[in-house]
Amino acid sequence: KAGVTQTPRYLIKTRGQQVTLSCSPISGHRSVSWYQQTPGQGLQFLFEYFSETQRNKGNFPGRFSGRQFSNSRSEMNVSTLELGDSALYLCASSLGGATAEAFFGQGTRLTVV
Amino acid sequence: DQQVKQNSPSLSVQEGRISILNCDYTNSMFDYFLWYKKYPAEGPTFLISISSIKDKNEDGRFTVFLNKSAKHLSLHIVPSQPGDSAVYFCAASVSSGSARQLTFGSGTQLTVLP
Repeated sequence: KAGVTQTPRYLIKTRGQQVTLSCSPISGHRSVSWYQQTPGQGLQFLFEYFSETQRNKGNFPGRFSGRQFSNSRSEMNVSTLELGDSALYLCASSLGGATAEAFFGQGTRLTVV
Repeated sequence: DQQVKQNSPSLSVQEGRISILNCDYTNSMFDYFLWYKKYPAEGPTFLISISSIKDKNEDGRFTVFLNKSAKHLSLHIVPSQPGDSAVYFCAASVSSGSARQLTFGSGTQLTVLP
């Protein structure tokens, strides 16, 4: 079956702009989580959606937001971009449940200039 | 405050030998632990997990050990192969909740030398 698909793969934006990233989970998976990876910081949890509801949110400013649609696809939005937002943004899907295996997409590499 | 720590940013091992990757955690609520492997330009892929009711879990060449009293886990790869060269992340979660949130360490770059 198809894996987790993230679009676009690469993105260059200017400071102050906003950006929307997309994630299509594995068919049948209702949980979608977003993570930010920066050099030396590992992966930091942004938020998790399950059945269109945000269940959990990490310690990121309100400029980072997301949503999930009825088909489980999810989008992540970052407004008023800062240079420090340059990172690899990863989406993971799972069946849901705290121990369900999470499958990651290839990520979107965002560069803010 | 990093709740999951991987103190070795890199590790080099000869092919055929054992690779031992270490991870420490501080949050005593964590009771489910996972290891992921990541190649450049790819997302992390799941390797192996362990629940806190166990102290060891094996899957082929991969074994994870958990020492709850020390809040320490390790991943052993035996024998190591050049294809194992990647960044390894340990992650932890609280299994009693319904939400899916993984707390990751900063990763260890493993290089297996032929």
